[in-house]
Amino acid sequence: SQQGEEDPQALSIQEGENATMNCSYKTSINNLQWYRQNSGRGLVHLILIRSNEREKHSGRLRVTLDTSKKSSSLLITASRAADTASYFCATPEKGNDMRFGAGTRLTVKP
Amino acid sequence: DAGVIQSPRHEVTEMGQEVTLRCKPISGHNSLFWYRQTMMRGLELLIYFNNNVPIDDSGMPEDRFSAKMPNASFSTLKIQPSEPRDSAVYFCASSLSSFTSTGNNQPQHFGDGTRLSIL
Repeated sequence: SQQGEEDPQALSIQEGENATMNCSYKTSINNLQWYRQNSGRGLVHLILIRSNEREKHSGRLRVTLDTSKKSSSLLITASRAADTASYFCATPEKGNDMRFGAGTRLTVKP
Repeated sequence: DAGVIQSPRHEVTEMGQEVTLRCKPISGHNSLFWYRQTMMRGLELLIYFNNNVPIDDSGMPEDRFSAKMPNASFSTLKIQPSEPRDSAVYFCASSLSSFTSTGNNQPQHFGDGTRLSIL
């Protein structure tokens, strides 16, 4: 079963606007990760936020984590056409693997 | 540094044929993962290895699927016999595992996948 579930499933915005994607999960975690997947390519790791962190920044990316609500959000500011991709959240399982959500498909129109 | 390398990038074959997908993880990584991605089911973990040992193969759909990791730099995923419903994109990923009681805290690095079509 999917641990992380992203919302919305699809998002379409204009270049320059901000894009916000949300992720909910079910069990306790020690970290949550966000990945990007361009069409026809593999997933690329964007950012990892640990359970004792509430917010983390990386360039135009801002990730928040609310462990009380078991949710996370990914904000992309000043979006560009090149940001068009699918975005996934992932949480570690007890072993060494991770569970990925279904993803949010982001389209940024030039 | 080279990333995760998968081959072939595309494979088209007829049902009943044997299919072998190959993966070379990033040097020094000790965990390797095989995933399958479809529109209907999203990204599914099939099996993962830690230090070349299969740890969890509960995601392998049927006995037709098998995976091996004979050494730290090579892994294969084999489907025999293949069926049309096996058509999907298969990804290999590797990571440097840093295992804690609540899971790995290291990112996974993905290859660009093998797009498999079974006719």
